[in-house]
Amino acid sequence: GQQVMQIPQYQHVQEGEDFTTYCNSSTTLSNIQWYKQRPGGHPVFLIQLVKSGEVKKQKRLTFQFGEAKKNSSLHITATQTTDVGTYFCAGLIGNQFYFGTGTSLTVIP
Amino acid sequence: EPEVTQTPSHQVTQMGQEVILRCVPISNHLYFYWYRQILGQKVEFLVSFYNNEISEKSEIFDDQFSVERPDGSNFTLKIRSTKLEDSAMYFCASSVSGLSTQYFGPGTRLTVL
Repeated sequence: GQQVMQIPQYQHVQEGEDFTTYCNSSTTLSNIQWYKQRPGGHPVFLIQLVKSGEVKKQKRLTFQFGEAKKNSSLHITATQTTDVGTYFCAGLIGNQFYFGTGTSLTVIP
Repeated sequence: EPEVTQTPSHQVTQMGQEVILRCVPISNHLYFYWYRQILGQKVEFLVSFYNNEISEKSEIFDDQFSVERPDGSNFTLKIRSTKLEDSAMYFCASSVSGLSTQYFGPGTRLTVL
């Protein structure tokens, strides 16, 4: 079946360090969305990327969509304790969004 | 800011019983979704609904599941005969269009005993 994989599964960083999560699909994605889920919470939409090679920034967050539209990344510069949570990508294949396995970020003060 | 709401927040049921999970999507949204998330795992797509019919469903969404929009505001997920493995958090989401931002509700935690 269709799968969207994310690495790493877990990441522990010291506050102030950078963090990156990678999303990979074996199938070309029509678009990709990124969500953040706080512990005990629900997924909250962060951004959507549509174009090949697209890069978008939100303050300390940088999102990138690969040229082949099969991979994407989320980079957080200078992490803060408020960045704690699980980051999911969701790739659109056909008419269905396939969520990645998620990367759980822990930020150590 | 408009929100997706879900009730109940927690549902406990016996195996074999029917449950109905309820959602009120954002009022001007046209697309509605159900997802589930088993504890500690990824979010899994169940079904999408548009124009009063299912537009897409996953392998998980078998004959035990059904969705309905009984009136202009509610969107429900019914599980006819619950199994232990149905225990999960069930999220409803809605969006303006099929490819736009999905707004998730707070979820219903279903526990099947």
